[in-house]
Amino acid sequence: DQQVKQNSPSLSVQEGRISILNCDYTNSMFDYFLWYKKYPAEGPTFLISISSIKDKNEDGRFTVFLNKSAKHLSLHIVPSQPGDSAVYFCAASHTGNQFYFGTGTSLTVIP
Amino acid sequence: EPEVTQTPSHQVTQMGQEVILRCVPISNHLYFYWYRQILGQKVEFLVSFYNNEISEKSEIFDDQFSVERPDGSNFTLKIRSTKLEDSAMYFCASSTPSTGLYEQYFGPGTRLTVT
Repeated sequence: DQQVKQNSPSLSVQEGRISILNCDYTNSMFDYFLWYKKYPAEGPTFLISISSIKDKNEDGRFTVFLNKSAKHLSLHIVPSQPGDSAVYFCAASHTGNQFYFGTGTSLTVIP
Repeated sequence: EPEVTQTPSHQVTQMGQEVILRCVPISNHLYFYWYRQILGQKVEFLVSFYNNEISEKSEIFDDQFSVERPDGSNFTLKIRSTKLEDSAMYFCASSTPSTGLYEQYFGPGTRLTVT
């Protein structure tokens, strides 16, 4: 069951540059998407969400883009900071109860 | 800032034993969830709970699992007879419509090791 995929297990970016994290999904019924950030030994922390009626949502340095036809979403972090180094998970849901998570992308921001 | 807490942080148990993982959700939250993450794998939904009953559960959440809200603050996950493959991090989460129904706040997790 791979309804949500994050194909890049890791990403390294220089401080100040843009980080782009990608996520693909297979279930066209998904209508709500979230991004979480996770540090070691902590639970996931909610970052930003988007519903299927939008194609973009922005919150400070974080922007999520949704391409429904391609079943693809991405998280942009601009500018990237060393404190952004963490594992990022995307998650998708149809009912709002059961969220399907991707396997995560480990982001390293190099000072 | 309010946060979800979980106890214990690490639980070691023998195969076949019962374990209870405890969570204290954020106090004004109404929806509660359990997830698990097997080492190196993705976070997997187990169950959601609202108004004192299960609202949705995954195929992982079989008869060996149960959830309970025994009082106004705790939310527990019981595994009746643990198996080796139950070894994982278990995360509790909570949410409420006033902060965005789908914005789930996670606890730090309980690492369950079944030997």
